[in-house]
Amino acid sequence: NAGVTQTPKFHILKIGQSMTLQCTQDMNHNYMYWYRQDPGMGLKLIYYSVGAGITDKGEVPNGYNVSRSTTEDFPLRLELAAPSQTSVYFCASSAYPPKANYGYTFGSGTRLTVV
Amino acid sequence: KQEVTQIPAALSVPEGENLVLNCSFTDSAIYNLQWFRQDPGKGLTSLLLIQSSQREQTSGRLNASLDKSSGRSTLYIAASQPGDSATYLCAVRRINTDKLIFGTGTRLQVFP
Repeated sequence: NAGVTQTPKFHILKIGQSMTLQCTQDMNHNYMYWYRQDPGMGLKLIYYSVGAGITDKGEVPNGYNVSRSTTEDFPLRLELAAPSQTSVYFCASSAYPPKANYGYTFGSGTRLTVV
Repeated sequence: KQEVTQIPAALSVPEGENLVLNCSFTDSAIYNLQWFRQDPGKGLTSLLLIQSSQREQTSGRLNASLDKSSGRSTLYIAASQPGDSATYLCAVRRINTDKLIFGTGTRLQVFP
């Protein structure tokens, strides 16, 4: 059971370029999320989805886009990358309501550097 | 606006000590609170989840308590071990939302 899988694990992007961070889960969770974590900071929610075809903004959505065409996949797209988007990106999923002791499952993260 | 604070930001203790990590939140209208562990360069591992109607949850050497009225949660680690060294994050899920709001974490180091 793979859980939540993110690719790539590391990436260096040039300013102004675009890229897509991939996230897939095999737990049939209907809820999926994208967070970013900056050094010494907590996680901040970028976008989330409550099911295929439904997405909504989180706390810090500017500069990002998402889509949810299937239950399993929730890609995050960066358009016109900026140095401020240098961060570690985490994808997560959850069932609803959350089951005892297994609320959210996180991927291992994508470390992105914009230069 | 929900704000989550964790104290202390960092903690270094000798092996075998019992220790307490603190988490406070400003809005008591929460669905649940979850404690995570994050190892360097890794993702988050869920440790304990406490529903708003519960007072505590236990898993092995870990015990998490929740006092919703005062906006506090504590994570108690008994007989700490070097393998417990990691960053511990708490997160609250507000009522009628599906968003977790995270604290900034406590970085724990347990030395032999």
